[in-house]
Amino acid sequence: QSVLTQPPSASGAPGQRVTISCSGTSSNVGGNTVHWYQQIPGTAPKFLMYSNNQRPSGVPDRFSGSKSGTSASLAISGLQSEDEAEYYCAAWDDSLKGVLFGGGTKLTVL
Amino acid sequence: EVQLEQSGAEVKKPGESLKISCKASGFSISGYWIAWVRQMPGKGLEWMGIIYPGDSSTRYSPSFQGQITISAAKSISTAYLEWSGLMASDTAIYYCARHSSGWYSPFDYWGRGTLVTVSS
Repeated sequence: QSVLTQPPSASGAPGQRVTISCSGTSSNVGGNTVHWYQQIPGTAPKFLMYSNNQRPSGVPDRFSGSKSGTSASLAISGLQSEDEAEYYCAAWDDSLKGVLFGGGTKLTVL
Repeated sequence: EVQLEQSGAEVKKPGESLKISCKASGFSISGYWIAWVRQMPGKGLEWMGIIYPGDSSTRYSPSFQGQITISAAKSISTAYLEWSGLMASDTAIYYCARHSSGWYSPFDYWGRGTLVTVSS
């Protein structure tokens, strides 16, 4: 099945700001809300962001999200070593009638 | 506390059948959509399908339709993922996850995953 397009990797030094993009089509990102998940190696995905830019309770405000047209972004400011993880975007796809995930972006904190 | 407790790791041979489980606690499974998500070794997340245990409504990804069966027993707050004939390519970690409300909503809680290894 098709996936939403994410860069395979991203990196930044502690304290810096990084942005991860997520590109789709009108049947998914463009027409529905985007959610983000964080997966630390060896653990289950964690709920990180919902409805494009809403943080669940407990998620630091260093994490922010946005969406414009058929693209969405996750920004992490004040990068910390604990942010090193794989990040996935996801959205409902009206054609698939199911959830599409991005391919994942591995974030490295230098 | 909301929890999704998944059954333990499995090692199977090609052609064998398997049913793994996801037991919910801390909420009524009848009122939420529960999804199954596959993660093959070193790969990303793939949505397999969902079930609404309240009435057992199901939806499958076209990629998995006919290959798996998703079911639930609401009386014991448990969802299941089943194969009738495993293949080596089914080797993966399988997660169950809860939609926070409807289909469009995010997965707000995840199980820890069940590792399924299929090898002769």
